[in-house]
Amino acid sequence: DIVMTQSPDSLAVSLGERATINCKSSQSVLYRSNNKNYLAWYQQKPGQPPKLVIYWASTRESGVPDRFSGSGFGTDFTLTISSLQAEDVAVYYCQQYYNTPWTFGQGTKVEIK
Amino acid sequence: QVQLQESGPGLVKPSETLSLTCNVSRGSISTYYWSWIRQSPGKGLEWIAYITYPGTTNYNPSLQSRVTISVDRSKNQLSLKLTSVSAADTAVYYCARGDPGFLDYWGQGILVTVSS
Repeated sequence: DIVMTQSPDSLAVSLGERATINCKSSQSVLYRSNNKNYLAWYQQKPGQPPKLVIYWASTRESGVPDRFSGSGFGTDFTLTISSLQAEDVAVYYCQQYYNTPWTFGQGTKVEIK
Repeated sequence: QVQLQESGPGLVKPSETLSLTCNVSRGSISTYYWSWIRQSPGKGLEWIAYITYPGTTNYNPSLQSRVTISVDRSKNQLSLKLTSVSAADTAVYYCARGDPGFLDYWGQGILVTVSS
């Protein structure tokens, strides 16, 4: 199985400041034939299901604010919230879909400082 | 907008079979990949299986011996059966649509507790 490791486990950021979450996979999730990274990011608020934020490592899902961006390739990825808003408080998960079993990171809790 | 809704018993006895259904509305179950995922405090998010119509399946090896996923096209419904449950299977169970591997629509989830 591909192990997904996120860092940090939690972070507190002031409103309007940048939040950065890292995700590292135990093996590359880059499919060279199409040059795509099989990596997604989800946002989960209490009592709600995860919500897709980013797929193919850097493609923003429809309706997601442009303050959310994804980057990285191969084994190292980052989710950035450029200007944290109160509604962004949540747990964020990365997920690889390069190989089954699809696997998730342990989650990063984002709070307001 | 596709909508998914899980249903089933919230309490299952140890060693029995957990059976859940996911109703898909405003979208056809004949396209895309359809997954079950569960979330427990101890293990985080765990992908269980997916199915594509008319019946290609893929299971998480950690659960494969106990899991069956199926689709009823006439009802636009997805189902999950998990046999020989134990307390470790207590979790919130979600159904979700995959495109194919990123999960763009999720149900609200159903909490299933395994207890006598």
